[in-house]
Amino acid sequence: AIRMTQSPSSLSASTGDRVIITCRASQGISSYLAWYQQKPGQAPELLIYAASTLQSGVPSRFSGSGSGTDFTLTISCLQSEDFATYYCQQYYSYPRTFGGGTKVEIK
Amino acid sequence: QVQLQESGPGLVKPSETLSLTCNVSGGSISSYYWSWIRQPPGKGLEWIGYIYYSGSTNYNPSLESRVTISVDTSKNHFSLNLSSVTAADTAVYYCARDVSGYYSDYWGQGTLVTVSS
Repeated sequence: AIRMTQSPSSLSASTGDRVIITCRASQGISSYLAWYQQKPGQAPELLIYAASTLQSGVPSRFSGSGSGTDFTLTISCLQSEDFATYYCQQYYSYPRTFGGGTKVEIK
Repeated sequence: QVQLQESGPGLVKPSETLSLTCNVSGGSISSYYWSWIRQPPGKGLEWIGYIYYSGSTNYNPSLESRVTISVDTSKNHFSLNLSSVTAADTAVYYCARDVSGYYSDYWGQGTLVTVSS
C-alpha cells in the first residue's frame, strides 16, 4: 500500500494567517490526490480532488498543488471556521490510503 | 442533496460480526460507488472498501478476509459486515458516496461501534 505522510502533524496559527500543509506519498501518484477537512465530531468534507481542483462550494482561500510524490494544501487567509484537522488521500492505487492528519489549532 | 445515514448496533462482542447499513436518500444509489471508511477514536481514517451499485466490490487487503459489503438497490441502501471483530475494530464507521471509486464527496454522520464484552 502507498504510505501518505503529512507534515506537520499539528500547527498553531492565527486568523488571517497563511497556512501550508504538506503531504508526501511513498511512491509517485501523479495527481490522484484528495484533501478533506474534518471538524470535531463531524464527518470529513471533501475540499480538493485531482490535487488542485476545488470541490463545489469550497471557499477559494483553499488551494492545492503538487504532483508525483509531493503535495501542498494552502489556506491563504485562515478563518475561524478553518480550525480543523486536514487529511490527504491518494487514489492512484488500491487500497486508498490517507495521511495521518494535520490539526490546525488556534494560536 | 444526497444524504447518507448509518445504522446498526453500537456495541458488538469480540469474535462476533459487526453489521451496519447505510441508507441513501435524496438520490438514487444507482450509477455510483459507495464506500465504508472507519476512524478509531482519536486516530486517522482507514478505507474499508467500496461497492458499485451493480454489486462489484473492492476491499482493503488488510480487512479483506473479514469484510463483506453488499447493496440493495430496491431499498436504496448498502451494508457492511465485518466478522471476528476485536477491540481494534472499535471505531466510528462512515458510509460515503464515491466519485468513480476514487474519493468521497458525500459522507454520513458516522456511527461509533464499540467492541467489548
